[in-house]
Amino acid sequence: DAKTTQPPSMDCAEGRAANLPCNHSTISGNEYVYWYRQIHSQGPQYIIHGLKNNETNEMASLIITEDRKSSTLILPHATLRDTAVYYCIVRPPNNNAGNMLTFGGGTRLMVKP
Amino acid sequence: NAGVTQTPKFRILKIGQSMTLQCTQDMNHNYMYWYRQDPGMGLKLIYYSVGAGITDKGEVPNGYNVSRSTTEDFPLRLELAAPSQTSVYFCASSPLRGRGYNEQFFGPGTRLTVL
Repeated sequence: DAKTTQPPSMDCAEGRAANLPCNHSTISGNEYVYWYRQIHSQGPQYIIHGLKNNETNEMASLIITEDRKSSTLILPHATLRDTAVYYCIVRPPNNNAGNMLTFGGGTRLMVKP
Repeated sequence: NAGVTQTPKFRILKIGQSMTLQCTQDMNHNYMYWYRQDPGMGLKLIYYSVGAGITDKGEVPNGYNVSRSTTEDFPLRLELAAPSQTSVYFCASSPLRGRGYNEQFFGPGTRLTVL
């Protein structure tokens, strides 16, 4: 699976958009970009995933560049409850390893009042 | 649905003791996983299972054993506990197909300290 690079930490003002970047320059054609987050002391929570097109759901939007070498997770109106570590993971849809996830260090997002 | 449940929530072991971490899911998911998370680090896969009777090693399997006799249960066994196994352990599951097949659903974790 391709590796990802994320900034270790970011701050965001409450009510503003949080834009979390991820570099995945070695991504292969069949690999998806997944985002999970982990609120303190809890298990990770799935947010969104995408292949080529931009995706949006009730939690966030995912913007993938045309060359697919980077992506941005957008939380449109960050709240204090969005304070968490956000993980960007690249993985093929079926990787013959039980669809395992490989977690890096993630980005620690701090939403401030 | 209760989702993925783990017991116990907390446990302190002495060096050399053994224990079993329990994990149960009620979503009829084929895939189940055990991860460990050391302080300030991302999760690392210990073992996984693609169905009852089938298990395989992940990234950090040494010192652990698993079994999968039913679809619902995926216990993790620690033999001869060592301080290096002090960590938070997360169990997860995901479906083979259908709604949510791209997601892993995580339990609340077991915090283990080995002294």
